[in-house]
Amino acid sequence: QVQLLESGPGLVRPSETLSLTCTVSGGSNTSGIFYWSWLRQPPGKGLEWIGDVPDSGNTYYNPSLKSRVAISQDRSKKRFFLTLNSVTTADTAVYFCARSKQWDYGAFEIWGLGTLVTVS
Amino acid sequence: EVVMTQSPVTLSVSPGERVTLSCRASQSVNINLAWYQQKPGQPPRLLIYAASTRATGVPARFSGSGSGTDFTLTISSLQSEDFAIYYCQQYNNWPPYTFGQGTKLDIK
Repeated sequence: QVQLLESGPGLVRPSETLSLTCTVSGGSNTSGIFYWSWLRQPPGKGLEWIGDVPDSGNTYYNPSLKSRVAISQDRSKKRFFLTLNSVTTADTAVYFCARSKQWDYGAFEIWGLGTLVTVS
Repeated sequence: EVVMTQSPVTLSVSPGERVTLSCRASQSVNINLAWYQQKPGQPPRLLIYAASTRATGVPARFSGSGSGTDFTLTISSLQSEDFAIYYCQQYNNWPPYTFGQGTKLDIK
């Protein structure tokens, strides 16, 4: 089945740019459209949706982060990417990538294990 | 932005008990509501989507109900592996998708 794996630096300096990659593996060529999201969870806190990129169509971002975030994908290599610039300590979190259900695009059916990014 | 409020924040229960968790939206989200289970050190697991549809592989003891602004997740007979944090999430009015703050199930 489909698996997701996040990768990237675990430590980012304040004011610099956080860059993460989500690699998609497994699964057969499934027809239909999926949305590929980034979410985050500060230590001991709840979940925040950052944004998503669909198989085709526009990218959407959380308005609270929109000025600092970009999500893109390389479908041929089955990867999608997150960049978050001008980071502060408030951006310290476990970052997850996730795939939506087909048709219920806002329900996150498959998740990566998550990667902790510390801003310090 | 739709604000999701879950209650209670923490619930102490014994194995075998029936448990009901609540989630309220600040405005109608129709049935575009999902529930997740998260255990320490793990990503969330999708349990319920479209308010009442169980995701693949989710045991039948988990059920969801509600529409509009009020939703519930019921666990009919709590098993030891069910002690976790549960989040509701709306996907009707976006961006952004928004989550509740979570309900933690503790062992009594």
